[in-house]
Amino acid sequence: DVQLEESGGGPVTPGGSLRLSCAASGFTLSNYAYSMNWVRQAPGKGLEWVSSISPSGDYIYYADSVRGRFTISRDNAKNTLFLQMSSLRAEDTALYFCAREQIAIQALDVWGQGTAVTVSS
Amino acid sequence: LELTQPPSVSVSPGQTASITCSGVDLGKKFTSWYQQQPGQSPVVVIYQDYRRPSGIPERFSGSSSGNTATLTISGTQTLDEGVYFCQAWDSGTPVFGTGSKVTIL
Repeated sequence: DVQLEESGGGPVTPGGSLRLSCAASGFTLSNYAYSMNWVRQAPGKGLEWVSSISPSGDYIYYADSVRGRFTISRDNAKNTLFLQMSSLRAEDTALYFCAREQIAIQALDVWGQGTAVTVSS
Repeated sequence: LELTQPPSVSVSPGQTASITCSGVDLGKKFTSWYQQQPGQSPVVVIYQDYRRPSGIPERFSGSSSGNTATLTISGTQTLDEGVYFCQAWDSGTPVFGTGSKVTIL
């Protein structure tokens, strides 16, 4: 069964840091068929793409809202995706999903359940 | 690229719901549609404008032309209630629409 399971969310004060993890099962993150993404959803709001990493890891992209503060990475041995978040702001408060892009169909075909991040003093 | 959707769509059970997604030259890009039910993660219901993933009912269909993509739900059922997001690609990164809440009255 193909699954993604996020963890690492929680409360954090403004300016603080947090590292989110996304453990994949049923497929291999380094498989060239897939890119991996982080997508967030603020309470009661829509979906906002945050970051993505190509299968090779050579191509990494960030939304303007997080560039310079967030870093996406991957541990192939652990089959786990990460999002290191620093200089957190109140507007980063959201449910963070990791999502797999199946490159051949250009769609995000597998999503985790999300991990909640709350930035508040 | 900005993708605009109507905030809400209401339809009676058994009727047809159409949700539009507008963006510049959207018809030249592939559009996917995601259903998000309360408390759940998004699920792709349409990809590449009109293709359905396995397990998605035939009542879900999609089309795209010009600046508009459309998701159509035929013979709507109460379990189709939720928020629907369109998504397209801009310079290799996904862009999501504003979302449309579908209510089956």
